[in-house]
Amino acid sequence: DIQMTQSPSSLSASVGDRVTITCQASQDITNYLNWYQQKPGKPPKLLIYDASNLETGVPSRFSGSGSGTDFTLTISSLQPEDIGTYYCQQFDDLLLTFGGGTKVEIK
Amino acid sequence: EVQLVESGGGLVQPGGSLRLSCAASGFTFNIYWMHWVRQVPGKGLVWVARIDSDGRSVNYADSVKGRFTISRDNAKNTLYLQMNSLRAEDTAVYFCVRDKTIVIHDTFDTWGQGTMVTVSS
Repeated sequence: DIQMTQSPSSLSASVGDRVTITCQASQDITNYLNWYQQKPGKPPKLLIYDASNLETGVPSRFSGSGSGTDFTLTISSLQPEDIGTYYCQQFDDLLLTFGGGTKVEIK
Repeated sequence: EVQLVESGGGLVQPGGSLRLSCAASGFTFNIYWMHWVRQVPGKGLVWVARIDSDGRSVNYADSVKGRFTISRDNAKNTLYLQMNSLRAEDTAVYFCVRDKTIVIHDTFDTWGQGTMVTVSS
């Protein structure tokens, strides 16, 4: 299985801050990488697909980049409604795997 | 409105069985690949199984292979997960999930609210 390692596991930032979450794959997954946001008590929501494509309806402050083994999710200006846990997910392999998650809080 | 509604969760003893159902509405169910994803409360997401649009191709996570069976009834717009030989470590919220499009596979744009499965004596 392809292992997905996210960092940090949690972060606290101020409203308006630029936030960066990284995801590293255990092998080359080209751009077969998605990002999801999950709020407490809710199912996850797709934010970014194919590493850098913004899902319809997702605010433009979210962006994704990377290819190969190293990927980044960036929130350009953190907003209060962005609190939650963020997960990366690879779909290069038949057996899909998620990263461990990054919990984002407001300072 | 596109909607997925899971049912069938509950408390079951180790070694027991349970069948989850997922009722789909608001889209043409029979052309989408579907998945089950689970999550231990407070923990991360784990992909469980995939089924293609006509049910001919299925795949499973190693942790459930041989014990779980994913299936679908396109006439009833319903996805199933038959879970046998259940273990304590299968305790989780189980989400029914749809692919983003009929050609973009393994990217999840629609999720149900989840159904809780608890395996305990």
